[in-house]
Amino acid sequence: GEDVEQSLFLSVREGDSSVINCTYTDSSSTYLYWYKQEPGAGLQLLTYIFSNMDMKQDQRLTVLLNKKDKHLSLRIADTQTGDSAIYFCAENSGYSTLTFGKGTMLLVSP
Amino acid sequence: DTGVSQDPRHKITKRGQNVTFRCDPISEHNRLYWYRQTLGQGPEFLTYFQNEAQLEKSRLLSDRFSAERPKGSFSTLEIQRTEQGDSAMYLCASSLGGRDEQYFGPGTRLTVT
Repeated sequence: GEDVEQSLFLSVREGDSSVINCTYTDSSSTYLYWYKQEPGAGLQLLTYIFSNMDMKQDQRLTVLLNKKDKHLSLRIADTQTGDSAIYFCAENSGYSTLTFGKGTMLLVSP
Repeated sequence: DTGVSQDPRHKITKRGQNVTFRCDPISEHNRLYWYRQTLGQGPEFLTYFQNEAQLEKSRLLSDRFSAERPKGSFSTLEIQRTEQGDSAMYLCASSLGGRDEQYFGPGTRLTVT
C-alpha cells in the first residue's frame, strides 16, 4: 500500500540550513512534492521532482531523491523565521490523487 | 486573484444539519480535487473530477457526502446529517491535467457542535 512518513518536528536557528526528510513506499511514484502550510491556511506548493531526477534546486530550496531507498529530502538554505510552518511531502503514483505524509513542523528561532 | 478559492472559510454547524461548501478552481484547470485534513494529519483524498465527471471517490466519502461539478467549473461538496467526526478542514485543489501539480485553496474549516 501507499504510505508516506516524515519526522514530526525540526527546530533550527535563523540562518542555518534545514533538512526535512521523507520516505515513501510506492515505487511507481512518478512525481514527489513538497508543500508548505502556515497556521489556518491552505497548502502552498513549494517544489516537486520527477522520479527520474536525483536533484532539483530552486533558489533556497534543494530537493534530493534517492529512488533506491525511496527517500526524499528538502533542504532550505539560510532558513528564516518566515519559513516556520508545517512541510508536507506527497507522492503522486498514478494519474490523480496525492498521498501526503503527516507533516514536519519546522520552527525557526531568531 | 487567479488562485483556487473556497467559500465559506469557516462553518460552525450543529450535529445533524446539512452543510455545503463551494470551490472555484483556477480557470483553465480541468481537474478538481477535494481533500480532508484533520488536526495533526496530512490531507486525505476524498474525490476528484475531470471536467464535470466524478472519476474517483475514496472510501472516506460516506453516503452522507456528495460532490458535484455541474458545468466543469466550480464544485460543491455537501455533507448531510453532519456528525462531530466530520469536523475538519476541507481543502480543494485543481490541476491542469492528471500529471500536473495541484494548487490548493485556503480551505473551509468545519466545526460540528
